[in-house]
Amino acid sequence: DGGITQSPKYLFRKEGQNVTLSCEQNLNHDAMYWYRQDPGQGLRLIYYSQIVNDFQKGDIAEGYSVSREKKESFPLTVTSAQKNPTAFYLCASSTPGQGEETQYFGPGTRLLVL
Amino acid sequence: AQKVTQAQTEISVVEKEDVTLDCVYETRDTTYYLFWYKQPPSGELVFLIRRNSFDEQNEISGRYSWNFQKSTSSFNFTITASQVVDSAVYFCALSEASGYSTLTFGKGTMLLVSP
Repeated sequence: DGGITQSPKYLFRKEGQNVTLSCEQNLNHDAMYWYRQDPGQGLRLIYYSQIVNDFQKGDIAEGYSVSREKKESFPLTVTSAQKNPTAFYLCASSTPGQGEETQYFGPGTRLLVL
Repeated sequence: AQKVTQAQTEISVVEKEDVTLDCVYETRDTTYYLFWYKQPPSGELVFLIRRNSFDEQNEISGRYSWNFQKSTSSFNFTITASQVVDSAVYFCALSEASGYSTLTFGKGTMLLVSP
């Protein structure tokens, strides 16, 4: 079955620690996205990538980093510079386009700070 | 800048009632796309519908229907004869044709359907 997988489902971070969230898709989509969801805040865009080896900052990129070495994979690193990382993180993918493409989402990773 | 407003934070209904979720958007583009997603308690967002700015026809899919009105910049979602399985958070989102077409989400409406 085609889809998007995210791992782990739950992740715990200690103070000053970098952690990496995994996102893999087998939908053959060129574009991938990372969103952060806080209670009552909706989804906010962290980073997105339209093609391999290229990515752009979203609205709240500070304290996060990404890489896009393979079409199928778009890992997100939450660095120690992110002072309030506790949130639900959602990865999405789509075909590239001019706004009409539908984004499909993974099951999410919940990050908690110890 | 684009913006999506879902003024209803939470709605509670009893099963079999009809319910409408409101969505109002702002954009300067003439070409744009509107979406609705459902987020059940499991957390994954499920795509429901996409509508482009040139198509104001209302759409019906089973118990779901959508009313798009450019004159009021609204894209409302109605569930007819609600069921307990409809309980979820529903998000409205907007994408503009200019730039890299990223999605701007509303803050969501939590729908609680009780038996």
